[in-house]
Amino acid sequence: GAGVSQSPSNKVTEKGKDVELRCDPISGHTALYWYRQSLGQGLEFLIYFQGNSAPDKSGLPSDRFSAERTGGSVSTLTIQRTQQEDSAVYLCASSSYPFRGEAGNTIYFGEGSWLTVV
Amino acid sequence: AQSVTQPDIHITVSEGASLELRCNYSYGATPYLFWYVQSPGQGLQLLLKYFSGDTLVQGIKGFEAEFKRSQSSFNLRKPSVHWSDAAEYFCAVGASTSYDKVIFGPGTSLSVIP
Repeated sequence: GAGVSQSPSNKVTEKGKDVELRCDPISGHTALYWYRQSLGQGLEFLIYFQGNSAPDKSGLPSDRFSAERTGGSVSTLTIQRTQQEDSAVYLCASSSYPFRGEAGNTIYFGEGSWLTVV
Repeated sequence: AQSVTQPDIHITVSEGASLELRCNYSYGATPYLFWYVQSPGQGLQLLLKYFSGDTLVQGIKGFEAEFKRSQSSFNLRKPSVHWSDAAEYFCAVGASTSYDKVIFGPGTSLSVIP
């Protein structure tokens, strides 16, 4: 697609329920990121997929969080047994790894999925 | 692994005044460096990026940033701030020599006084 697409844009869920957030990156982008932004806070790195390499999961805050990327394209972030502290905007981003001569792996962000746990 | 610090949590400037937002990074090799802006209720927009070459980088909206390897800094500047520049500004560092992730700083919130 033309840009990074995320769904749903807004999600209200009850504490203890599982949620799935979807990200459709820019076509051809090999790198995909998930970040979390809590109200008034910065961007917290969650997970990073690059091509066929094993994902970098070092930012996932607990084992309730997981993500997969199917076919090197669409990614789903799953939060199990949601807690109120999970309320945040979840941002997905994608980039293409720079080829020789290309100037940098700019990250393009989606509009985010706003998650509210009540 | 790389890291980024933005020493100023919040800055207030008068409209028309000059602006400098600080960014310091830690990375063992040559970094890619970025500045993004997030206006209230808006998504993240790339202002400028440094890849290599000229250490003074020009971006959109009249912003520029200077890469100083000796100081591990990539400060963002604008000679004359407009009220519409009020936003959150994020510095970020990426790896140039490996398939490594991009890490963002905590952000600096800019307020502009009319």
